[in-house]
Amino acid sequence: DSGVTQTPKHLITATGQRVTLRCSPRSGDLSVYWYQQSLDQGLQFLIHYYNGEERAKGNILERFSAQQFPDLHSELNLSSLELGDSALYFCASSFTPYSNQPQHFGDGTRLSIL
Amino acid sequence: QKEVEQDPGPLSVPEGAIVSLNCTYSNSAFQYFMWYRQYSRKGPELLMYTYSSGNKEDGRFTAQVDKSSKYISLFIRDSQPSDSATYLCAMSGNDYKLSFGAGTTVTVRA
Repeated sequence: DSGVTQTPKHLITATGQRVTLRCSPRSGDLSVYWYQQSLDQGLQFLIHYYNGEERAKGNILERFSAQQFPDLHSELNLSSLELGDSALYFCASSFTPYSNQPQHFGDGTRLSIL
Repeated sequence: QKEVEQDPGPLSVPEGAIVSLNCTYSNSAFQYFMWYRQYSRKGPELLMYTYSSGNKEDGRFTAQVDKSSKYISLFIRDSQPSDSATYLCAMSGNDYKLSFGAGTTVTVRA
């Protein structure tokens, strides 16, 4: 168990809808990262938050947004969903925002768009 | 060309064999190198974390990094059926953004 908790484990919804994925980092970790894993693209970095502030964006669509709350949990919001958004979404956490600290991953949320 | 190249396999070996996995990369800025193991329907689990060139050993696992060749390897000795999983290499520069390989699916036959 990595200590990173993601809910829900599985989400099924329809095109055009909006969903929110939740992540609780490991105790003491201040950084939260979101990744998308699909069969054709592999694991892709989406966005990074450190202590409530956005630090970097990767290949994140404008329809997607995220935030990190004062208690350090994070939410990833996906709107106007398309069939191609079906994927596994992972959250990872680390103590610092720097590369000298490894990232630990949760078990992900599987998003299925019908 | 992808930033990180990893042969997706699949790789099938008998129990007790040595499993050899590798990745190549093109970005000279990469300094931190990781191997993750991912079981079906689970998140990536950190196996090895190394900085710069050299070898690192942890139990049955050995990670090697050759920055001059832009090549990293993971060796699993005395492989067990429980080692059957997908192995992902990952790397980053100073910018904490991980770049992943495609993952290699390994099956260890009992």
